[in-house]
Amino acid sequence: AQRVTQPEKLLSVFKGAPVELKCNYSYSGSPELFWYVQYSRQRLQLLLRHISRESIKGFTADLNKGETSFHLKKPFAQEEDSAMYYCALKSGGSNYKLTFGKGTLLTVNP
Amino acid sequence: GAGVSQSPSNKVTEKGKDVELRCDPISGHTALYWYRQSLGQGLEFLIYFQGNSAPDKSGLPSDRFSAERTGGSVSTLTIQRTQQEDSAVYLCASSLVDLATNEQFFGPGTRLTVL
Repeated sequence: AQRVTQPEKLLSVFKGAPVELKCNYSYSGSPELFWYVQYSRQRLQLLLRHISRESIKGFTADLNKGETSFHLKKPFAQEEDSAMYYCALKSGGSNYKLTFGKGTLLTVNP
Repeated sequence: GAGVSQSPSNKVTEKGKDVELRCDPISGHTALYWYRQSLGQGLEFLIYFQGNSAPDKSGLPSDRFSAERTGGSVSTLTIQRTQQEDSAVYLCASSLVDLATNEQFFGPGTRLTVL
């Protein structure tokens, strides 16, 4: 069975500090990993996906198959980064459903 | 264009009553998903539609939960004989069937409160 674990429910940092949101997954095949973000009073939206290898809003995430991790990182956090972050996994094949972690609430303090 | 819409935005019901939640996906999106978001549980997958068929219903928590999709568009999630533990935000998402992206677009959710 596939599983996504986000060990931190809450993460608080100061503006300008580096931030890392942890995500580990369990899946026997070749997964696709995503980070979704939900800002206050807004819809859940895609932040980035591992296959794109892109940086969005200064965030990056690298898939580490050896450690089965997909941690989200940003070198200098901004107050507007405060939000709920969900790591998600799509299994291979034609089933497009996502398995989400329980989320990490990031607060960036001024 | 319009995004995913859901109705009602809020629903308060009494224990034991039936409720219907509606989802209008983005036009042209063949895949539709229902998730449940509750405190401490994160986002739980409920059911996935490809067109009008549901190849994965594995997340429905009990036989009180059912969903249908007609015309490859609108979907309704029905909860019969609601229980207090059904209280949550029910999210709908839609996507293209595209191996390259698979970005899911989420609706605003329906907040269900069972008294």
